[in-house]
Amino acid sequence: DAKTTQPTSMDCAEGRAANLPCNHSTISGNEYVYWYRQIHSQGPQYIIHGLKNNETNEMASLIITEDRKSSTLILPHATLRDTAVYYCIVRVAGGTSYGKLTFGQGTILTVHP
Amino acid sequence: DVKVTQSSRYLVKRTGEKVFLECVQDMDHENMFWYRQDPGLGLRLIYFSYDVKMKEKGDIPEGYSVSREKKERFSLILESASTNQTSMYLCASSLDRDSGNTIYFGEGSWLTVV
Repeated sequence: DAKTTQPTSMDCAEGRAANLPCNHSTISGNEYVYWYRQIHSQGPQYIIHGLKNNETNEMASLIITEDRKSSTLILPHATLRDTAVYYCIVRVAGGTSYGKLTFGQGTILTVHP
Repeated sequence: DVKVTQSSRYLVKRTGEKVFLECVQDMDHENMFWYRQDPGLGLRLIYFSYDVKMKEKGDIPEGYSVSREKKERFSLILESASTNQTSMYLCASSLDRDSGNTIYFGEGSWLTVV
């Protein structure tokens, strides 16, 4: 799996956009970028994923640079319930290791009132 | 909505007990997984299954076994619980073996072995 680098922590004001960066400079051409978040004592929650193009769903937007070496998760209007650890992951392509998710340290996002 | 349900959120068991952790998914997914998550060690894959009655060892299968008799249900078994198996256990599922398929997690089961 390609390794990812994320800032340890970030703050955001409630109602503002939260932009969480992730570097994955060794990503391979067929590896997807995934974002999950984990609120304390709960299982990881899937947010969004992408391969090359920018993606948007009801939770967030994912911006992937043209060289695919970095990406940004955008929560457009952060709420207090978005306070969590956010993980950026690069998935291996198929084979017997397809279930092996490697969660790094992640970014602790704190949303303030 | 995607739903992976783990039967027990919090369990306390004694050393040497046999422990069953049950997981059910309602999405007709082929693949199911069991992980454990520990501080400083991240997420580690114990076992996974890509079909009924099929199972594959993950990175840390020792001390664990699994059962998948029905597509929707994947059970993790600790034959003789030990204190070093105190952890948060996460069940997950995905549609099939395509790398682009999202893995969805359950709420987690906190197991304490005393």
